Amino acid sequence: AQTVTQSQPEMSVQEAETVTLSCTYDTSESDYYLFWYKQPPSRQMILVIRQEAYKQQNATENRFSVNFQKAAKSFSLKISDSQLGDAAMYFCAFDSNYQLIWGAGTKLIIKP
Amino acid sequence: DTGVSQDPRHKITKRGQNVTFRCDPISEHNRLYWYRQTLGQGPEFLTYFQNEAQLEKSRLLSDRFSAERPKGSFSTLEIQRTEQGDSAMYLCASRSDSSNYGYTFGSGTRLTVV
Repeated sequence: AQTVTQSQPEMSVQEAETVTLSCTYDTSESDYYLFWYKQPPSRQMILVIRQEAYKQQNATENRFSVNFQKAAKSFSLKISDSQLGDAAMYFCAFDSNYQLIWGAGTKLIIKP
Repeated sequence: DTGVSQDPRHKITKRGQNVTFRCDPISEHNRLYWYRQTLGQGPEFLTYFQNEAQLEKSRLLSDRFSAERPKGSFSTLEIQRTEQGDSAMYLCASRSDSSNYGYTFGSGTRLTVV
């Protein structure tokens, strides 16, 4: 069965600092997509970044970047220059053809 | 197009009542998905449509749950004889077959069964 594991229920970081959120997954597929989504309190799920498994280059989106280690099945999210607006639940998700399989989420707290 | 729209945003119902939620996807997206999210958890897949065809419904939580997308545009999710355990956020998402950029989510419908 395909699973996604986020081992950090909560993380905190000082504003303007860098934080890394961990995600591991399990699959027998060779070609797939991975996503990080952000869910602010009482607000909708927003796509942060995506990674295609056949691409070795790590995806980046402004202050957000991933460290994708396919052999280790690891997909961590690095947030640089953390801002107060980054505070949210962050979910890692694996695209299994017709559905997203989600981790339990990491609550990110930004300290001013 | 303003994104994926879900209605209502909140629904409070008495146990045993039926409820129906609506989702309007992004117009050019042919795939539509329903997820359920309980507090502190990641979303849980329920069902999905490609155009008007419901291609996967085995993950619907019980036979009290049903979904439709009659004309391949908006979709409805109905829960019959609601139970307190049905209280959750129900999320709708859409995407295009021609792009795997990602899924666009609506704001969700929060159901509270009392």
